[in-house]
Amino acid sequence: DVKVTQSSRYLVKRTGEKVFLECVQDMDHENMFWYRQDPGLGLRLIYFSYDVKMKEKGDIPEGYSVSREKKERFSLILESASTNQTSMYLCASSPEAAGTNTGELFFGEGSRLTVL
Amino acid sequence: AQSVAQPEDQVNVAEGNPLTVKCTYSVSGNPYLFWYVQYPNRGLQFLLKYITGDNLVKGSYGFEAEFNKSQTSFHLKKPSALVSDSALYFCAVRPPASGTYKYIFGTGTRLKVLA
Repeated sequence: DVKVTQSSRYLVKRTGEKVFLECVQDMDHENMFWYRQDPGLGLRLIYFSYDVKMKEKGDIPEGYSVSREKKERFSLILESASTNQTSMYLCASSPEAAGTNTGELFFGEGSRLTVL
Repeated sequence: AQSVAQPEDQVNVAEGNPLTVKCTYSVSGNPYLFWYVQYPNRGLQFLLKYITGDNLVKGSYGFEAEFNKSQTSFHLKKPSALVSDSALYFCAVRPPASGTYKYIFGTGTRLKVLA
């Protein structure tokens, strides 16, 4: 089974702190994603990566950056956390099915971040 | 603009009754369609997808979904609901344009199955 592991389930940080959210997948998937989930807004894409060192902005990249130095690991970085970044963060991966783009997403358990 | 609508924030159904969770989309071309389920404090789990072929797709846990191209809908169904089906359900659409990795998610529908 595909396993997507997010290193921290719950984090509490202070405004202005730098925050790292780590995600590791064990199925050699090409694509990895970071989403933010807020009630009534569904899932919003922050960044995605389709290969090592490759990244593209999603719908809400402001205030975030990402790093993908190895295929299995995709990190989300909040350079200076703010209270409006309090949210549930979900990492996901998907296989690149022979260029058909039909692969479903496999999600981690989520990281609930509170910024005080 | 491309979008996915889940018109009901919450659906209540009695255990043993059939359930339907609605999803409509506004995406050009022939998109790929997905349903995911989220249990409390967990990530999303894939239930089923429609890529092409038969309009009725069967998935995990006895769920199925019906694709209707003319109505641009992809409703999730189950013939007999269980209390354990209570969760948050998300519909998602993936535009078919090559090179795009974008999934568009609905806002979610909370399903409550009452014993």
